[in-house]
Amino acid sequence: AQRVTQPEKLLSVFKGAPVELKCNYSYSGSPELFWYVQYSRQRLQLLLRHISRESIKGFTADLNKGETSFHLKKPFAQEEDSAMYYCALFTGTASKLTFGTGTRLQVTL
Amino acid sequence: KAGVTQTPRYLIKTRGQQVTLSCSPISGHRSVSWYQQTPGQGLQFLFEYFSETQRNKGNFPGRFSGRQFSNSRSEMNVSTLELGDSALYLCASSSSGDRDTEAFFGQGTRLTVV
Repeated sequence: AQRVTQPEKLLSVFKGAPVELKCNYSYSGSPELFWYVQYSRQRLQLLLRHISRESIKGFTADLNKGETSFHLKKPFAQEEDSAMYYCALFTGTASKLTFGTGTRLQVTL
Repeated sequence: KAGVTQTPRYLIKTRGQQVTLSCSPISGHRSVSWYQQTPGQGLQFLFEYFSETQRNKGNFPGRFSGRQFSNSRSEMNVSTLELGDSALYLCASSSSGDRDTEAFFGQGTRLTVV
């Protein structure tokens, strides 16, 4: 069965410090991984997906199949990055996302 | 264009009752998925509909059911409510539900069972 693990419930960093939100997955098929973000009082929204290999708001994530990881990184944290981050694995043929439990990122001055 | 709309935003129901939640997808989107979000279990997939057909189902009891109409609007029904059904129910729509299409989420319906 598929599983997504986000080991940290809360990650607190100072503004300007590097950020790494960890995500590990377990899936026997070819994985399709996403990071979703939920800012305060806003709906869940897609941040980035591994197939697009793009940087969004300074965040990047590389799929490491050997380590079954998809960690989210940003070199310099900003206050506006404070939010809840969810790693998600797409499985099946019909829009089924398996989510991790989420990590709350808190960026302080 | 308008985003995914869920109604109502809040609901309070009594144990044993049933409830119906509604989701209007983004115009043109044919896939609608439902998720339950709780502090203990996080986000869990309930089911997905595409062109009025259920294509995928999560591990929830039969008390949880859904349907999709010809205009792609979807409803989710929970019968014989239990206290543990208290949760935020999220709906997501995408154009096709395929792995390369983005899912757009609604604001959710917060259900409280007392």
